[in-house]
Amino acid sequence: AQSVTQLDSQVPVFEEAPVELRCNYSSSVSVYLFWYVQYPNQGLQLLLKYLSGSTLVKGINGFEAEFNKSQTSFHLRKPSVHISDTAEYFCAVSASSTGTASKLTFGTGTRLQVTL
Amino acid sequence: GAGVSQSPSNKVTEKGKDVELRCDPISGHTALYWYRQSLGQGLEFLIYFQGNSAPDKSGLPSDRFSAERTGGSVSTLTIQRTQQEDSAVYLCASSSYSGVAFFGQGTRLTVV
Repeated sequence: AQSVTQLDSQVPVFEEAPVELRCNYSSSVSVYLFWYVQYPNQGLQLLLKYLSGSTLVKGINGFEAEFNKSQTSFHLRKPSVHISDTAEYFCAVSASSTGTASKLTFGTGTRLQVTL
Repeated sequence: GAGVSQSPSNKVTEKGKDVELRCDPISGHTALYWYRQSLGQGLEFLIYFQGNSAPDKSGLPSDRFSAERTGGSVSTLTIQRTQQEDSAVYLCASSSYSGVAFFGQGTRLTVV
């Protein structure tokens, strides 16, 4: 089975500052990795995904994440945040060993709070 | 349809009543999930359907909760004898082989 750890429950940051949201996973097989974003009072939206290929993945709204297999991490980064990035961010993992993704497992989420 | 559709969007029910929540997944998606999100909390996994395999029910909190998926498409989550602690947003998601899950807007359940 897979598991995901998001160590930071909340990350406060000033506008235009860089941010990194940490995600570590545990799995005995190959994985697919995802970041989802949930804006206030809205549903979850896919931010970016790693399925295969380049370990640096670019997503929407200027976010990117890097898959590090040796450190079992998939940290999310943005060089300069905006007020509108204030949201809950969820990291998720599924196994890919059969070529079809297994059950998606989510982390507990990180609340990004951007202030002026 | 174009996305995952959930109905109703809001449901207010009296304690002890049964409720049914519906999810229409994206056509062709083999996997379907139900999650629960309480106010200010993360995602609580409830149940996972994948193709014709037996569903993973490991997240259902009690035997008052059940779900079915008819014809590999539409799913219904049923909560019997609702309690106030069942109040939450119930989210449905579907995915294809790649595992990219698309979420519906959720059903906000309030038990009074």
